[in-house]
Amino acid sequence: KQEVTQIPAALSVPEGENLVLNCSFTDSAIYNLQWFRQDPGKGLTSLLLIQSSQREQTSGRLNASLDKSSGRSTLYIAASQPGDSATYLCAVRPKKVGNEKLTFGTGTRLTIIP
Amino acid sequence: GAGVSQSPSNKVTEKGKDVELRCDPISGHTALYWYRQSLGQGLEFLIYFQGNSAPDKSGLPSDRFSAERTGGSVSTLTIQRTQQEDSAVYLCASSLAIYTGYNEQFFGPGTRLTVL
Repeated sequence: KQEVTQIPAALSVPEGENLVLNCSFTDSAIYNLQWFRQDPGKGLTSLLLIQSSQREQTSGRLNASLDKSSGRSTLYIAASQPGDSATYLCAVRPKKVGNEKLTFGTGTRLTIIP
Repeated sequence: GAGVSQSPSNKVTEKGKDVELRCDPISGHTALYWYRQSLGQGLEFLIYFQGNSAPDKSGLPSDRFSAERTGGSVSTLTIQRTQQEDSAVYLCASSLAIYTGYNEQFFGPGTRLTVL
């Protein structure tokens, strides 16, 4: 059974700092890994999707990396801003025909201190 | 539409009543997914549709839960005889297709269900 872990559960950093969020998964047989952010009381916003054949994806100040063999992904946020405060979730899609479930981590609650 | 929409945004009901939650996926997306997010719990997969068919219903927590999709578009999640443990945020997502290596899922804002 796939298990996805995100550490730390919560993180507070001063504005302007660069930071890294971690995601680990137990089964490396995945199609892709997706990073989301969730604002309080809101749905999920997709940030980046990395296919299993890729090593990283970039969007603006965000960079996500994937090391499938070791079951790890990181989300790097450069020059953090108060608007980045949210819960960040990673999710993996299994590489199994007919299994379309995303398995989510429990998230990292990020607070950027102005 | 521009994004996935869900209605109602909030639903308060009494224990034992039936509820229907609606999801409108992004236009052209053939795959649709339902998830549940309970307080203190992670996101839990419930069911997905490819077109109007649901190949995998294993995530539905009990036979009180059912879902349908018509016309390859709108989906309804029905919970019969609601219980307090059904209280959660129900999230819907859609993607262009499944069975591909790239199927980014886009989520709606969710329906917050409270069972009194």
